[in-house]
Amino acid sequence: AQTVTQSQPEMSVQEAETVTLSCTYDTSENNYYLFWYKQPPSRQMILVIRQEAYKQQNATENRFSVNLQKAAKSFSLKISDSQLGDTAMYFCAFMVPGNTPLVFGKGTRLSVIA
Amino acid sequence: DAGVTQSPTHLIKTRGQQVTLRCSPISGHKSVSWYQQVLGQGPQFIFQYYEKEERGRGNFPDRFSARQFPNYSSELNVNALLLGDSALYLCASSYLAGGSTDTQYFGPGTRLTVL
Repeated sequence: AQTVTQSQPEMSVQEAETVTLSCTYDTSENNYYLFWYKQPPSRQMILVIRQEAYKQQNATENRFSVNLQKAAKSFSLKISDSQLGDTAMYFCAFMVPGNTPLVFGKGTRLSVIA
Repeated sequence: DAGVTQSPTHLIKTRGQQVTLRCSPISGHKSVSWYQQVLGQGPQFIFQYYEKEERGRGNFPDRFSARQFPNYSSELNVNALLLGDSALYLCASSYLAGGSTDTQYFGPGTRLTVL
């Protein structure tokens, strides 16, 4: 079974600074996808970024980028130029392609401070 | 285009009652998944449906059931409600044809409170 671990329950960052959220996962699969979802107080789960394990290049979406280290089974999210609207719970999630469900970590609560 | 929609937004029930939650996927998406998120935790998988057939089931009791309709909308039913069923119930849709189409997009959730 796959597991996802987020070891930082809470983090804070000053507005305009950079912050990195950590995630580790455990799997015996060779082909898989990893995701970061954001859940603001409004509770809607919003996709931030997606990474296919077979891709050599790490994904980037505007101010959000990831660093996948497959040997270490580590998948971190870097948020640059943090904004107040980035305040939310961030969940790391894992999925094997096909009809399999997402496996989520317990989340990291990020607070962006003005 | 409209995203995933869920109804109702909030629901209050008493122990022993039954509840039905509804979800409409993004237009063109054929798969719907249901997740339970208790306070302070990540979502836990309950069911996945694809083309009206159950494709996966999480570790939940038989009190939980679901179905998918020809228009790909879905209902989640929970019988004999327990206090521990209080949670945010999330619906996610995906096209599920491989590659990036496996990405799941979530609705706003239904907050269920069992008293």
